[in-house]
Amino acid sequence: GNSVTQMEGPVTLSEEAFLTINCTYTATGYPSLFWYVQYPGEGLQLLLKATKADDKGSNKGFEATYRKETTSFHLEKGSVQVSDSAVYFCALRGVFNQFYFGTGTSLTVIP
Amino acid sequence: DVKVTQSSRYLVKRTGEKVFLECVQDMDHENMFWYRQDPGLGLRLIYFSYDVKMKEKGDIPEGYSVSREKKERFSLILESASTNQTSMYLCASSLAGMGTGELFFGEGSRLTVL
Repeated sequence: GNSVTQMEGPVTLSEEAFLTINCTYTATGYPSLFWYVQYPGEGLQLLLKATKADDKGSNKGFEATYRKETTSFHLEKGSVQVSDSAVYFCALRGVFNQFYFGTGTSLTVIP
Repeated sequence: DVKVTQSSRYLVKRTGEKVFLECVQDMDHENMFWYRQDPGLGLRLIYFSYDVKMKEKGDIPEGYSVSREKKERFSLILESASTNQTSMYLCASSLAGMGTGELFFGEGSRLTVL
């Protein structure tokens, strides 16, 4: 079946630190992979996506590469800001249009 | 700007009340979803719909029902609210087919059942 496992939080970083949030998946077929972000009190917003192996999604300084050989889609950012404080969800879209989410990783960036 | 709109951001209801959560999307999407979000549990799928008048159970359908009479509208119904249904409810939509498109989410409805 399909599932997503992501790094548990919470994660606390100082401003300008390097961020990695690990995400691995199990899927049948060739899923599309996503990172969503949820700011306090809001719904989820798409941060980036990748639709096939070796694709790199990027947005707002965040990047993630679709690694089929390791079934991973780790989120990275070189220098985090206070405004990046949020909950991050890794997700996949399976072949039957269903979406599967990780449990979310809370990030707090301190000045 | 394309949107998924949930009718209520915050609701407070009493145990046993019937609760309606409304969701409207303006993107002509075929697929619509209702999720529940709880701390430590992530997003859990309650129901989804691939077309008007069609519905499928998700992972946690017990205590909920849905209605999709029009393509743009997907309603979640709690027939008799209970305190363990206190949660954040998220509606989402997506295009159909074998595509790679993402889910678009509403801002959420935070329900408290007393």
